[in-house]
Amino acid sequence: GDSVTQMEGPVTLSEEAFLTINCTYTATGYPSLFWYVQYPGEGLQLLLKATKADDKGSNKGFEATYRKETTSFHLEKGSVQVSDSAVYFCALWAGSYQLTFGKGTKLSVIP
Amino acid sequence: NAGVTQTPKFRVLKTGQSMTLLCAQDMNHEYMYWYRQDPGMGLRLIHYSVGEGTTAKGEVPDGYNVSRLKKQNFLLGLESAAPSQTSVYFCASSQRHGTVGELFFGEGSRLTVL
Repeated sequence: GDSVTQMEGPVTLSEEAFLTINCTYTATGYPSLFWYVQYPGEGLQLLLKATKADDKGSNKGFEATYRKETTSFHLEKGSVQVSDSAVYFCALWAGSYQLTFGKGTKLSVIP
Repeated sequence: NAGVTQTPKFRVLKTGQSMTLLCAQDMNHEYMYWYRQDPGMGLRLIHYSVGEGTTAKGEVPDGYNVSRLKKQNFLLGLESAAPSQTSVYFCASSQRHGTVGELFFGEGSRLTVL
């Protein structure tokens, strides 16, 4: 079945550091890929998405490129801020009615 | 625009009690979902609905029932609560075509079963 594996956290970075959160997937066909973010005390919200191979999703300084050859969708940001502290979820949609989520990676950014 | 609203936000139950969580969305979305979030487990789908009057089981449906009598509302019921159902519950909704993966989430309902 479909699955998403993302790096375990927590991840702690200093402000302005470079961020990478790894995500790999297993799916039949050609899934769409997503990153969701959950700020403390809130629900998840869509951060970015990519719907086909080599697409790059971007938002709020975050980027992720859909790599079909490595079945990956790693999240990156060049300079993190304290306000980026949150839990990040990688997810895929392979044509059914539901998303498949990874287990989440908690990011803490310290001043 | 309220988006997805869940009530109540917090609830404490005793084992064996029943309760209903209400989810309401004002975006005219076709699809609605109930997830639970537990430490180290990520989000797990309980039940979902692809339209008014229809429901389907997700990954962890046991111990829960749902109803979608109106398009904008999706109710999650616990008939006899158990401590294993202590969790944070999230409702989500999405449009029907082309954007199924773009879910809009409520703020969550924290349930504790003693």
